[in-house]
Amino acid sequence: DGGITQSPKYLFRKEGQNVTLSCEQNLNHDAMYWYRQDPGQGLRLIYYSQIVNDFQKGDIAEGYSVSREKKESFPLTVTSAQKNPTAFYLCASSSTGGAGETQYFGPGTRLLVL
Amino acid sequence: AQSVTQLDSQVPVFEEAPVELRCNYSSSVSVYLFWYVQYPNQGLQLLLKYLSGSTLVESINGFEAEFNKSQTSFHLRKPSVHISDTAEYFCASIYNFNKFYFGSGTKLNVKP
Repeated sequence: DGGITQSPKYLFRKEGQNVTLSCEQNLNHDAMYWYRQDPGQGLRLIYYSQIVNDFQKGDIAEGYSVSREKKESFPLTVTSAQKNPTAFYLCASSSTGGAGETQYFGPGTRLLVL
Repeated sequence: AQSVTQLDSQVPVFEEAPVELRCNYSSSVSVYLFWYVQYPNQGLQLLLKYLSGSTLVESINGFEAEFNKSQTSFHLRKPSVHISDTAEYFCASIYNFNKFYFGSGTKLNVKP
């Protein structure tokens, strides 16, 4: 089955700790994205990548970092600089990142702060 | 600036009744529009999209949306809802290649 997997489903972060959310896709898509979802605010773009070894900041990149060393993987690190990390994080991918393409979403990771 | 507005945060409706979820967009350029559905604690699933051509687009489960350029709207409709349609629905527009702008979501609550 082709699709996008995210792990873990739930993640707990202690204050001052960096945590990494995993996103893997076997759709052979070039473009991958990370969104943050907060209640009543819809989705906001954190980072996106259209090709391996390249990525761009979205609207709320502060306190986050990403890497794109492999086509199928786009991990997101929530750093200690992100002061309000509690949210639902969604990873998505699309074929080439071109205009009008459908983005396919993973099941999400819920990050909670201890 | 690009934006998508979903005026209704929650829409309660009885089963088998019709429903309309409203979406308005702002854009000064060509726009592509999407509706996604999200079930609790899951990712988003594409419901339907408008890229060009016919202004009326349909999904396989009975939803339809009409692109109205003069009113800058892309409202989602279904003539008869089921309990299983209970979910949160997001309208999104895309411009500048692959940057999506999502609305704040509308929770559809179908009651028996």
